Amino acid sequence: SAVISQKPSRDICQRGTSLTIQCQVDSQVTMMFWYRQQPGQSLTLIATANQGSEATYESGFVIDKFPISRPNLTFSTLTVSNMSPEDSSIYLCSVAVASTYEQYFGPGTRLTVT
Amino acid sequence: AQKVTQAQTEISVVEKEDVTLDCVYETRDTTYYLFWYKQPPSGELVFLIRRNSFDEQNEISGRYSWNFQKSTSSFNFTITASQVVDSAVYFCALSERSGYSTLTFGKGTMLLVSP
Repeated sequence: SAVISQKPSRDICQRGTSLTIQCQVDSQVTMMFWYRQQPGQSLTLIATANQGSEATYESGFVIDKFPISRPNLTFSTLTVSNMSPEDSSIYLCSVAVASTYEQYFGPGTRLTVT
Repeated sequence: AQKVTQAQTEISVVEKEDVTLDCVYETRDTTYYLFWYKQPPSGELVFLIRRNSFDEQNEISGRYSWNFQKSTSSFNFTITASQVVDSAVYFCALSERSGYSTLTFGKGTMLLVSP
């Protein structure tokens, strides 16, 4: 398995500001992903965080709004830029363990935009 | 395109009842992986099981069991003798090809177990 931590665990932000969420894994992993879970909804993939190259974004998500960094195999950040109330969600980091194909999630960051 | 359907939005049972959560999937790939996750009220997503498309054996883990049937594209999850602590939202998810690619989630089933 993998142990994943995220910072911050929650935050309340004002419209128009930006928030950077950190994801730290206790072991080196090839695949890291960022998901969003809007209130009462399922999870939607934002992007795949690629080490050493730009993230791969899903349809409906763009780099200017959700810039992602992946400086090494244990760490990634997601920034939610120019926030609006519609960005209020739980943001989750996920990793895939190559040896077992199991995928684990961090505890999530609960973001509220006022 | 891949798709996961969890038709049951919410299920309510009384403690000690057995309950089955349904999951139906669609994919064009012959190699794929199916997952179940539990999301309790605290919000974290807990990994329960991963099953690959070549292994149709049912699996049992304590009070949990999973029934994978390729013929009906279903991967159902049964909790035996449910407990209040089982109350959570349960998500079924699908990953194509390599198994550590992205996950497509169903909409989730909220399970409420009352004493």
